[in-house]
Amino acid sequence: AQSVTQLDSQVPVFEEAPVELRCNYSSSVSVYLFWYVQYPNQGLQLLLKYLSGSTLVKGINGFEAEFNKSQTSFHLRKPSVHISDTAEYFCAVCESGGSYIPTFGRGTSLIVHP
Amino acid sequence: NAGVTQTPKFQVLKTGQSMTLQCAQDMNHNSMYWYRQDPGMGLRLIYYSASEGTTDKGEVPNGYNVSRLNKREFSLRLESAAPSQTSVYFCASSEAPGWPDGYTFGSGTRLTVV
Repeated sequence: AQSVTQLDSQVPVFEEAPVELRCNYSSSVSVYLFWYVQYPNQGLQLLLKYLSGSTLVKGINGFEAEFNKSQTSFHLRKPSVHISDTAEYFCAVCESGGSYIPTFGRGTSLIVHP
Repeated sequence: NAGVTQTPKFQVLKTGQSMTLQCAQDMNHNSMYWYRQDPGMGLRLIYYSASEGTTDKGEVPNGYNVSRLNKREFSLRLESAAPSQTSVYFCASSEAPGWPDGYTFGSGTRLTVV
C-alpha cells in the first residue's frame, strides 16, 4: 500500500529566502508523485509532477522538486519565495499504471513573512 | 472557464438535516471524486466514480451517499447531518483514477453542522 508523509505541518520563512518542503513516500512499486498548492479559500491546483525520467522536475511559479528513489523522497524547493507563495502545499503519491487513486499528505502550511 | 464547479459554496445545517452537494465538470473526464478537508488531516477520500455508472467507497464513506448522475455530474448527499461532518468538501475530476496529469479540483463547499 502507498503512503505519504509530509514532515512539517508549518514552515515559516522570510520573503526572498529559500524554502524546502519535505515529502517522503512509501510504496513497493513504481509511483507517480505530485505537489499541489492550495491558496486561501481556493481548491487545489497542480504545481508539478514526477512520472519518470529526469529526477528534477520544474513546475509553475518557480518551484521545483527532486525525486530521490533511494530515500523515497520528493522534496519541493524554491530559491526565493514571495509573499504570494503563502499557501498550503500537498504532496501526493500514486502507484503508476493509471488505475490507482493518489494518497495525499496532510499538507504543509508555508507562511512567508515580509 | 473550463473546470469543476461546486454548489453551494457555503452551507449551515442543523443536526439531522439532509442536503446534497452538487458537482459538475466540463472537461469530459471519466472519473470524479469527493474529498473532505479537515485541519491537520489533509484530504480524505469519501467516494469516487471511476467511470459513469460506477461508484466506490473511499477512506471515510460513513454518513454519505453519492450519485453519478451522468458523465458531467457527481453529487454527494448527507442524509442526516452530524457535527462531525463539519468540513470543507472538494470535488475533483480526472481522465482516470491514476491519470498522470493529476486531478482538477473545484473551489470547495464549506459546510457547518450545528
